Amino acid sequence: SQQGEEDPQALSIQEGENATMNCSYKTSINNLQWYRQNSGRGLVHLILIRSNEREKHSGRLRVTLDTSKKSSSLLITASRAADTASYFCATDASADGLTFGKGTHLIIQP
Amino acid sequence: EAGVAQSPRYKIIEKRQSVAFWCNPISGHATLYWYQQILGQGPKLLIQFQNNGVVDDSQLPKDRFSAERLKGVDSTLKIQPAKLEDSAVYLCASHELVRVDTIYFGEGSWLTVV
Repeated sequence: SQQGEEDPQALSIQEGENATMNCSYKTSINNLQWYRQNSGRGLVHLILIRSNEREKHSGRLRVTLDTSKKSSSLLITASRAADTASYFCATDASADGLTFGKGTHLIIQP
Repeated sequence: EAGVAQSPRYKIIEKRQSVAFWCNPISGHATLYWYQQILGQGPKLLIQFQNNGVVDDSQLPKDRFSAERLKGVDSTLKIQPAKLEDSAVYLCASHELVRVDTIYFGEGSWLTVV
C-alpha cells in the first residue's frame, strides 16, 4: 500500500515562479524523502528530512515536516524548465524500504 | 562512482511468456531493492535483500515473480508467466547497510506485456 499521498497530482506554473507540493502520510516515520523522476528515467534522491527536523534546505529546495499533521511540503523556488518532472515523497517507517506516494507531475512553462 | 546498472532497459513480451531483469548495485551496497512502478503511480516495493538474504518479500506475487541475489551482489527478477497487468517499470535500488538515507536507483527496466 502507498503511505504517502502527494497533492496536487499535477501542477503547471511559469518559469521563475515557485512550486509547492504537499505530501501526507499515515503512520509514524523515521524520515521522509523527496525524489524527482524525469520522464523515462529512474528516481533521483533530492532531500531527506528526519522525524525530529522541521525544515531543511538544499539549494532551491525547501522541505518542511509537520509530524503532528503527518505532512510534508516541498518548495522549489525560482523554477526552471529543467525542473519539469514528477516528484515523489517517500516515507521510511521501518527497515522494510521506502513507501512512495503517487507523485506530483510538475510542468514548468517557459 | 558507477551507479546502479539495470538491463535490459526495454522489453516487450506476449502474455504468458517469461522475462528476467538484471541489476548490479553500487559496489559495496549490502541492501538491494526491487520496485514495480506502474505508469502514473509511485514505485511499490516488491522485495528487499540484505546481502544474499531476503528481508521483505511480502508484496511479491510469488506465484509468478521470483528474485534472487545468490552471491550478495547482483540480482535477477523473473516473471513467469507474465500477465498484462505486469506492464510497468522495474526499478532496482541499493544502499550501504547503515546508510538507508542515501538510496540510489537504477534507470529501470521497462516491460510491456501484450
